[in-house]
Amino acid sequence: DAKTTQPTSMDCAEGRAANLPCNHSTISGNEYVYWYRQIHSQGPQYIIHGLKNNETNEMASLIITEDRKSSTLILPHATLRDTAVYYCIVVTGNQFYFGTGTSLTVIP
Amino acid sequence: GAVVSQHPSRVICKSGTSVKIECRSLDFQATTMFWYRQFPKQSLMLMATSNEGSKATYEQGVEKDKFLINHASLTLSTLTVTSAHPEDSSFYICSARDLGYSYEQYFGPGTRLTVT
Repeated sequence: DAKTTQPTSMDCAEGRAANLPCNHSTISGNEYVYWYRQIHSQGPQYIIHGLKNNETNEMASLIITEDRKSSTLILPHATLRDTAVYYCIVVTGNQFYFGTGTSLTVIP
Repeated sequence: GAVVSQHPSRVICKSGTSVKIECRSLDFQATTMFWYRQFPKQSLMLMATSNEGSKATYEQGVEKDKFLINHASLTLSTLTVTSAHPEDSSFYICSARDLGYSYEQYFGPGTRLTVT
């Protein structure tokens, strides 16, 4: 079962930063937080992952709280192509259990 | 980056027939592949975990005799939906893990199955 809670939907103005929160209060010490996104009728796309430290790559930044009970995915300059469903996943062993995700709409 | 393909991308079949979906890792070897199902406006639901050379592990509530999974090589896994019914109509997505490379999964583009 999914161990994460995310808002159902969010809007963001084009060019602004999109901050997507995720709660994972029952996360264990050795469990990673992964973020994927899914554009309509496509397979999910990897964005970023982290364990304890904040992470940044060419797509996004991941901020994990010190107690690891929540995290925030930041898309620094949202574009229309970033409109998608964003999934925060706590990886337990081998499997991914997807929660409901956040439907992000980037508005022109 | 790592690429996973699925074939076919769309398939329509009649009730009672069987359908096979292929999942291939194109530029890496995958000891583990996963099969998901996604109904409209819902999230992905893990169906089974497929390990090369061994029997698949099915999630609770997924009928192993209805959804046959074969993972005969490090680059190919197949899902066969046997005796398909309209309620099996869904979006089927596979993913693969690169050998020894963290937990990251690479997802295929999905297969849209419609049973009439």
